[in-house]
Amino acid sequence: EIVLTQSPGTLSLSPGERATLSCRASQSVSSSYLAWYQQKPGQAPRLLIYGASSRATGIPDRFSGSGSGTDFTLTISRLEPEDFAVYYCQQYGSSFTFGGGTKVEIK
Amino acid sequence: EVQLLESGGGLVQPGGSLRLSCAASGFTFSTYAMTWVRQAPGKGLEWVSAISGGGGSTYYADSVRGRFTISRDDSKNTLYLQMNSLRAEDTAVYYCAKRPGYNYGYFDYWGQGTLVTVSS
Repeated sequence: EIVLTQSPGTLSLSPGERATLSCRASQSVSSSYLAWYQQKPGQAPRLLIYGASSRATGIPDRFSGSGSGTDFTLTISRLEPEDFAVYYCQQYGSSFTFGGGTKVEIK
Repeated sequence: EVQLLESGGGLVQPGGSLRLSCAASGFTFSTYAMTWVRQAPGKGLEWVSAISGGGGSTYYADSVRGRFTISRDDSKNTLYLQMNSLRAEDTAVYYCAKRPGYNYGYFDYWGQGTLVTVSS
């Protein structure tokens, strides 16, 4: 099973700042089958990024994904108030696993 | 517009059974793979089970294999999860989600979830 480790656990930032979230896999993720999801309290997760770097439909361009192999990054270029949430990475190349999540909170 | 609506959650005793349903609309249900994901209270996401378009292939997490069964009725545009021998650790919000291909990919649309509580 591929284990995904997200860091940091919590990121405290102010609106307008840049957020950089990390997702590290215990083994290489085939074909960059790596996705990112956003979840707000009481809501279902929402797909942000798939294929490591492709934005899902309707996702603003301040969200970007990068990486390959075992190291992946989600970057939010300028945090908007609605971006404070929990973010999960997921690999779907070998069964499915999720990372433990990174909470982006208002500083 | 893609819509997924889960139902069937509730309170059940340990060892009991429950069947979840997920009614789909806004897309050609039969041609897409579907999946179930759960989230225990205050915890992260855990993949539970997946089924290919048409239902020919099914997949399970080790934690539920042999106890849960995923199925679909394409004539009713509905996904199911039959849960038997339930344990306290199965307590969670259960989400159904659509995948972008016949037996491929990430989870592009999610329902709002249904809460399952296993307790005596």
